[in-house]
Amino acid sequence: AQSVTQPDIHITVSEGASLELRCNYSYGATPYLFWYVQSPGQGLQLLLKYFSGDTLVQGIKGFEAEFKRSQSSFNLRKPSVHWSDAAEYFCAVDRMNYGGSQGNLIFGKGTKLSVKP
Amino acid sequence: DGGITQSPKYLFRKEGQNVTLSCEQNLNHDAMYWYRQDPGQGLRLIYYSQIVNDFQKGDIAEGYSVSREKKESFPLTVTSAQKNPTAFYLCASSLETANQPQHFGDGTRLSIL
Repeated sequence: AQSVTQPDIHITVSEGASLELRCNYSYGATPYLFWYVQSPGQGLQLLLKYFSGDTLVQGIKGFEAEFKRSQSSFNLRKPSVHWSDAAEYFCAVDRMNYGGSQGNLIFGKGTKLSVKP
Repeated sequence: DGGITQSPKYLFRKEGQNVTLSCEQNLNHDAMYWYRQDPGQGLRLIYYSQIVNDFQKGDIAEGYSVSREKKESFPLTVTSAQKNPTAFYLCASSLETANQPQHFGDGTRLSIL
């Protein structure tokens, strides 16, 4: 079965430092991949998505992600973290069956980001 | 502005009662979804609907029911059969189901009294 793994439950970085959040997926073909962010008590907001083409995807709020087929990864990065980036981040993959989309997403368990002043 | 409205934001239920969570969208989206979120568990899909009057079970549908009588509305009923209903419930919608990003409401937190 397809799955999404976010190995890091909680990460703390200093404000101004760079950030990389890891995401690994299991699927034989190229999946459709998403990163979402959630502030406490709120819904999820889409940061970026990858469907095909350029493996480096730019998103909102200065985030980017790189799709690496050889590593089955879709890691999220930001060169310089701001205190307002503290939130929980979720990686998601489009659920596929026999090469076709099933029309819903599988989410990882999330990585909580804390930012030190 | 278009968006997804979930109500109420907080909901309390006595054991043995059914409760219904509301989800309304004015984005003209075809597909709608319900997720349950527990600490450290990510989001788990309860039900989803691609078109009016049709819906499919997700990964954890037991103890829940839905209806899709209107394109804009996708209410979720948490029944007394759901033994551990305390959670944060999120509703989402998308233009169509295949490969489209989902837009989320701000959630309903359900607690058992």
